[in-house]
Amino acid sequence: DIQMTQSPSAMSASVGDRVTITCRASQGISNYLVWFQQKPGKVPKRLIYAISSLQSGVPSRFSGSGSGTEFTLTISSLQPEDFATYYCLQHSGYPLTFGGGTKVEIK
Amino acid sequence: EVQLVESGGGLVQPGGSLRLSCAASGFTLSDHYIDWVRQVPGKGLEWVGRSRNRAYSHTTEYDASVKGRFTISRDESENSLYLQMNSLKTEDTAVYYCIRGPRGVSGTDLYFYYMDVWGKGTTVTVSS
Repeated sequence: DIQMTQSPSAMSASVGDRVTITCRASQGISNYLVWFQQKPGKVPKRLIYAISSLQSGVPSRFSGSGSGTEFTLTISSLQPEDFATYYCLQHSGYPLTFGGGTKVEIK
Repeated sequence: EVQLVESGGGLVQPGGSLRLSCAASGFTLSDHYIDWVRQVPGKGLEWVGRSRNRAYSHTTEYDASVKGRFTISRDESENSLYLQMNSLKTEDTAVYYCIRGPRGVSGTDLYFYYMDVWGKGTTVTVSS
């Protein structure tokens, strides 16, 4: 199985901060990488697919990058509505595997 | 509007069975792979299994934790999909989401639709 190690598991940040979340895959996954956002009590929402393609309707402050085994989700200027938990997903091989999640909290 | 609606969750005893349904509207279910993902409240996301689309003969994949106990099937006439869960364990307790997947294995058909639409989920509780 491909393990997805997400870091940090939690973080505190202020509105306007630049936030970076990392996912490391246990082996190369090409561009089979998706990022999701989940707010408390809500359904996960896709933010980015294929490493860096922005989902329609998602603000441009969200971006994705990376290659091989290391991938990054960046929020360029954190907004109040961005406080949530973020997950990465690899779909290079079965079983599909998610990262453990990064909870972004208000400082 | 494109949406998925799950139903069929509930309370079941260990060793019991439950069948979840996933109804699609706004798109043709048979054109897409469909995934099931579950989430224990307060915990992370876990992939359960997948049904490929009609072009790939609705073949399935499962996580090892459910293989042999869970089965995904489809009813094209109803634009619906099912997750039959047998021999349920307490660790199967979770919210189960039905999710739209790709239409193919490359290019836009793969990436554009990859887990882009989620149902609201249905709760399964396995307890005596």
